[in-house]
Amino acid sequence: GAGVSQSPRYKVAKRGQDVALRCDPISGHVSLFWYQQALGQGPEFLTYFQNEAQLDKSGLPSDRFFAERPEGSVSTLKIQRTQQEDSAVYLCASSLSTGPTYEQYFGPGTRLTVT
Amino acid sequence: RKEVEQDPGPFNVPEGATVAFNCTYSNSASQSFFWYRQDCRKEPKLLMSVYSSGNEDGRFTAQLNRASQYISLLIRDSKLSDSATYLCVVNPNNAGNMLTFGGGTRLMVKP
Repeated sequence: GAGVSQSPRYKVAKRGQDVALRCDPISGHVSLFWYQQALGQGPEFLTYFQNEAQLDKSGLPSDRFFAERPEGSVSTLKIQRTQQEDSAVYLCASSLSTGPTYEQYFGPGTRLTVT
Repeated sequence: RKEVEQDPGPFNVPEGATVAFNCTYSNSASQSFFWYRQDCRKEPKLLMSVYSSGNEDGRFTAQLNRASQYISLLIRDSKLSDSATYLCVVNPNNAGNMLTFGGGTRLMVKP
């Protein structure tokens, strides 16, 4: 079946612009995660949803970052007033349910470049 | 200190070689451990979970040492297709939400 999809795959933004990144999780997956991966680094957790509830946003680096999942399926990560340090790959993952036995499936990511 | 630390490599090995990676984690209360594989410019994919008793999947063997807080991955009979970055991953709170990734170890298998 279809995996996790993300759009756009690539985004170039001028510093100061707002961007919105979309994630379509696997159908029926309750949990949705956002991670940020800088070049040459491992992914770092940003935020987590269980259905429409945002249960953990401890990884969001600043109040310029905002995520939502209003209907418990598609999620959007919004970055306001982008800065050069926001340049990274933003990965979305979903899992069938919560708990460590449920594998997280990752999407292909959105590569954001802030110029 | 990072929560999960790995040697970034690269490890350059010939086909057929055996190669081992280790990683260490700082949160002694962590309960769940994984190895993910990430190909260049692709998303991470689960390679295997790591259990206390150790586990094997074909040419891959993972082990956990809770006392020393390290996790290992052994790859036997390396194939060219094993070339990738291997990410050591810990679920620090066992609640199934966030994963904490190491920086990854790059493996290059040469003919």
